[in-house]
Amino acid sequence: EIVMTQSPATLSVSPGERATLSCRASQSISTNLAWYQQKAGQAPRLLIYGASTRATGIPARFSGSGSGTEFTLTISSLQSEDFAVYYCQQYNNWFTWTFGQGTKVEIK
Amino acid sequence: QVQLVESGGGVVQPGRSQRLSCAASGFTFSSYAMHWVRQAPGKGLEWVAIIWYDGNQKYYADSVKGRFTISRDNSNNTLYLQMSSLRAEDTAVYYCARDPYNGVCDYWGQGTLVTVSS
Repeated sequence: EIVMTQSPATLSVSPGERATLSCRASQSISTNLAWYQQKAGQAPRLLIYGASTRATGIPARFSGSGSGTEFTLTISSLQSEDFAVYYCQQYNNWFTWTFGQGTKVEIK
Repeated sequence: QVQLVESGGGVVQPGRSQRLSCAASGFTFSSYAMHWVRQAPGKGLEWVAIIWYDGNQKYYADSVKGRFTISRDNSNNTLYLQMSSLRAEDTAVYYCARDPYNGVCDYWGQGTLVTVSS
């Protein structure tokens, strides 16, 4: 099983600032990585797939990068609606899809 | 618009069974693989199972293999998860999700809570 490790566990950011979230895979997953946003009491929402492709309707302030084992989600200028938990997910190994433990982005 | 609506959650005793449903609308259900993903209270996301668009292939997480069965009715646009021999550690919100591409989940339902407790 591929283990996905996200850091930090919690990120305190002021509105308007940049947020950088990291995700590391225990083995190479090429660019088979997705990012999801989950707000309290809501279902996850797909943000990024293919490590860097924004999903339909996702604002340009969200960007993804990386390949192999190291990945980054950047939110260029945090808006109030962006405070949430973010999960990465690998889909390189079919039938054993795994998620990271999440990074909570909170208001500083 | 794409809608996924889960139902069937509730409180169930350990060792008993429960069936979850996910009603799909707003897209051609029979063209997409579908997943179940769960989230224990206060915890992260855990993939549970996938079923191919035609129902011919199904795969499960090791934690539920042999106890859970995923199925679908393409004529009624509905996904199911039959859960048996339930354990306390199966307590979670269960989400159904659409898969347009190799394991990516682009639309999710609102989830249904299953609580396994005596």
